[in-house]
Amino acid sequence: DAKTTQPTSMDCAEGRAANLPCNHSTISGNEYVYWYRQIHSQGPQYIIHGLKNNETNEMASLIITEDRKSSTLILPHATLRDTAVYYCIAGNAGGTSYGKLTFGQGTILTVHP
Amino acid sequence: NAGVTQTPKFQVLKTGQSMTLQCAQDMNHEYMSWYRQDPGMGLRLIHYSVGAGITDQGEVPNGYNVSRSTTEDFPLRLLSAAPSQTSVYFCASRPGQLDKAFFGQGTRLTVV
Repeated sequence: DAKTTQPTSMDCAEGRAANLPCNHSTISGNEYVYWYRQIHSQGPQYIIHGLKNNETNEMASLIITEDRKSSTLILPHATLRDTAVYYCIAGNAGGTSYGKLTFGQGTILTVHP
Repeated sequence: NAGVTQTPKFQVLKTGQSMTLQCAQDMNHEYMSWYRQDPGMGLRLIHYSVGAGITDQGEVPNGYNVSRSTTEDFPLRLLSAAPSQTSVYFCASRPGQLDKAFFGQGTRLTVV
């Protein structure tokens, strides 16, 4: 799996967009970018994933640069309940990866009133 | 649809005791995994399985055993508990290699 680099922490005002960056400069061509979040000490929750096209779902948008070396997770209207640790994961290249997810330290996002 | 169910939610063990952490999923997922999370850290992969009868080691497998006799269940066995195994343990399942993973709510284990 490719190594990912995320800022340790970020702040966001409630109602504003939260933009969480992730660097994955060593990502290979068939590795996806996944985002999960963990609220308090609950089990991680899937947010979104993509390969090279931008993706959007009911929770967030994922913007992947054309060279695929970085991506940004966008929470369009952050709420207090979005305060969590956000993990960016690059992996699942197939073959011996067997669907393993390699979690880094993540970004602590704090949404302020 | 219960998703991924872990039992127990909390457990205190004495050093040297053995126990089994249970994980069950009712979504017919082939892929299942066990992670541990130490305070202030990300999740680390212990063992994983790509189907019944098939398991393999992850990043931190020492001190743990797994088996996968059915699609639904993936128990994690601590052979001889040590204080270093004090952690929160998460089980996850996913239908396929590229699909999103579903996590249980965790088992908080303390070894004294």
